[in-house]
Amino acid sequence: DTAVSQTPKYLVTQMGNDKSIKCEQNLGHDTMYWYKQDSKKFLKIMFSYNNKELIINETVPNRFSPKSPDKAHLNLHINSLELGDSAVYFCASSQGASANNQPQHFGDGTRLSIL
Amino acid sequence: TQLLEQSPQFLSIQEGENLTVYCNSSSVFSSLQWYRQEPGEGPVLLVTVVTGGEVKKLKRLTFQFGDARKDSSLHITAAQPGDTGLYLCAGRVYNQGGKLIFGQGTELSVKP
Repeated sequence: DTAVSQTPKYLVTQMGNDKSIKCEQNLGHDTMYWYKQDSKKFLKIMFSYNNKELIINETVPNRFSPKSPDKAHLNLHINSLELGDSAVYFCASSQGASANNQPQHFGDGTRLSIL
Repeated sequence: TQLLEQSPQFLSIQEGENLTVYCNSSSVFSSLQWYRQEPGEGPVLLVTVVTGGEVKKLKRLTFQFGDARKDSSLHITAAQPGDTGLYLCAGRVYNQGGKLIFGQGTELSVKP
């Protein structure tokens, strides 16, 4: 019973292509996140949605567009992929955007490699 | 821009040794969380500290939140090979919708 599942696990594609990563959580949480983890293992927030509403939008190129069709899903579409987009992208969810002590539950990541 | 400086970045020790990982910031956080990440998986929460000066223990792991809520430490006593992994501290930013600022991570290797 995977709590936060993201697909695909691996994504290898050419520069300039457009790709999507999907994320689903079955925890009943109302808040979902996208993070990027670079080659040095640094994890940085990209976006967050609370009940399908965008609440965190970090300084991310507008080639990245999140979409939340419902509170259990948060997808990430990336246009015109660049070499620097190579990273591991993690989806996470939590209950409540403001609660201090709620854990964020992470998926296992999507490893994106740009050729 | 909030930053969380985590050190050391790499740590290789023998089984049975003690170690401490530090996270420091000039920013005040509403809470601080520690996560552990295994290769090929996402981070998993170990603990959340909320109150300045708070100390929490999880078996051989002791977590402390600084009095001013700007820093935290993780101390492991008698490290085991099973403790090997990437440890991440993450500070929750006030009034920013659950936003977490992560430290750079500490890659711990415990050799038998």
